[in-house]
Amino acid sequence: DSGVTQTPKHLITATGQRVTLRCSPRSGDLSVYWYQQSLDQGLQFLIQYYNGEERAKGNILERFSAQQFPDLHSELNLSSLELGDSALYFCASNPLAGGNTGELFFGEGSRLTVL
Amino acid sequence: GEDVEQSLFLSVREGDSSVINCTYTDSSSTYLYWYKQEPGAGLQLLTYIFSNMDMKQDQRLTVLLNKKDKHLSLRIADTQTGDSAIYFCAGGASGGSYIPTFGRGTSLIVHP
Repeated sequence: DSGVTQTPKHLITATGQRVTLRCSPRSGDLSVYWYQQSLDQGLQFLIQYYNGEERAKGNILERFSAQQFPDLHSELNLSSLELGDSALYFCASNPLAGGNTGELFFGEGSRLTVL
Repeated sequence: GEDVEQSLFLSVREGDSSVINCTYTDSSSTYLYWYKQEPGAGLQLLTYIFSNMDMKQDQRLTVLLNKKDKHLSLRIADTQTGDSAIYFCAGGASGGSYIPTFGRGTSLIVHP
């Protein structure tokens, strides 16, 4: 158990809909990362938050947004969903933004299926 | 940014050694990592190597780093069926903003 909790584990929805994925980082970890894992693209970095503020952005679509709340949990919002958004979405946490060995602790992922 | 390449599949017989290879582009990566993803689970750090090291051994695992060729490898000795998983190579600089970049993962299949 990594200590990172993601909900829901599975989600099935229709094209055009909007979903919210939730992540609770390990206790004390200030940094939260979101990754998308698909068969054809591998593990793609989406966005990082550190202590409530956006720290870095990767290949995140404009239809997607995220935030980190004062209690450090994070949400990833996916809107106007398309079939190609079907993937496994991982949240990972780390104590700091950098300056350590950099190990990321991953949740078990949220599997999104868009029909 | 960092670009990390790995072969997608490796099949070995139980008891043999497995070698998973990875190449990366960003020579400023302070640490290089190997993560393991078992079916239905998230990634878990297996081992890492600091960029000023050539080799690191941890029980059945040996990591070799060739900085000149930007090549990283993971050797698993006496591979067991429980080692069947996807193995990801990742690189990232430490300090400042730290964004690990992952390869696409190598599926290791261990058969009896």
